[in-house]
Amino acid sequence: GQQVMQIPQYQHVQEGEDFTTYCNSSTTLSNIQWYKQRPGGHPVFLIQLVKSGEVKKQKRLTFQFGEAKKNSSLHITATQTTDVGTYFCAGSGGGTSYGKLTFGQGTILTVHP
Amino acid sequence: DAMVIQNPRYQVTQFGKPVTLSCSQTLNHNVMYWYQQKSSQAPKLLFHYYDKDFNNEADTPDNFQSRRPNTSFCFLDIRSPGLGDAAMYLCATSRGMGEWNEQFFGPGTRLTVL
Repeated sequence: GQQVMQIPQYQHVQEGEDFTTYCNSSTTLSNIQWYKQRPGGHPVFLIQLVKSGEVKKQKRLTFQFGEAKKNSSLHITATQTTDVGTYFCAGSGGGTSYGKLTFGQGTILTVHP
Repeated sequence: DAMVIQNPRYQVTQFGKPVTLSCSQTLNHNVMYWYQQKSSQAPKLLFHYYDKDFNNEADTPDNFQSRRPNTSFCFLDIRSPGLGDAAMYLCATSRGMGEWNEQFFGPGTRLTVL
């Protein structure tokens, strides 16, 4: 079945430093989504990438989808304490997994003021 | 505001005692999902409904059942909860599947099994 690996599992940064999390799928994806889950909260949708090589930006966040549509990354520039949480990538594939999301393990981001 | 609502937010049950968690949505979405999330882990899909069509994940235990009596409501029934079923249960909805499957999550129900 489809597997989505995400690294690193944990990331501790000083406020102002940059942060990147990487996501790799065992199969080609139709699209990839990113979610943020604050401590004690529920996942909240951030963005969806559909096209090969797509790059999208939301303020300090930059999302990329690989050319082969098997990997993705989220980069945060100049982290702030409000960025604390777990960032999940979630891939949607084809075949029997069409339309269903397979979540990566998540990267837990801690930002020290 | 359109939203996904889960009740109760916290549920305590005894080992083997059936429990039902509920989810409702005002988004009028076609798809409703149930996920199980354990501490520091990713959400794990249990099953989903596309309208009335039920889709069970292959590795979802038979102990877990679901009902969707109408578009707005979906229930998760755990027939005989074990200690390993203690987790956060997340309900989510999406307008459709394929490229239109941005998911909206409810706040979750945290289940404790004594």
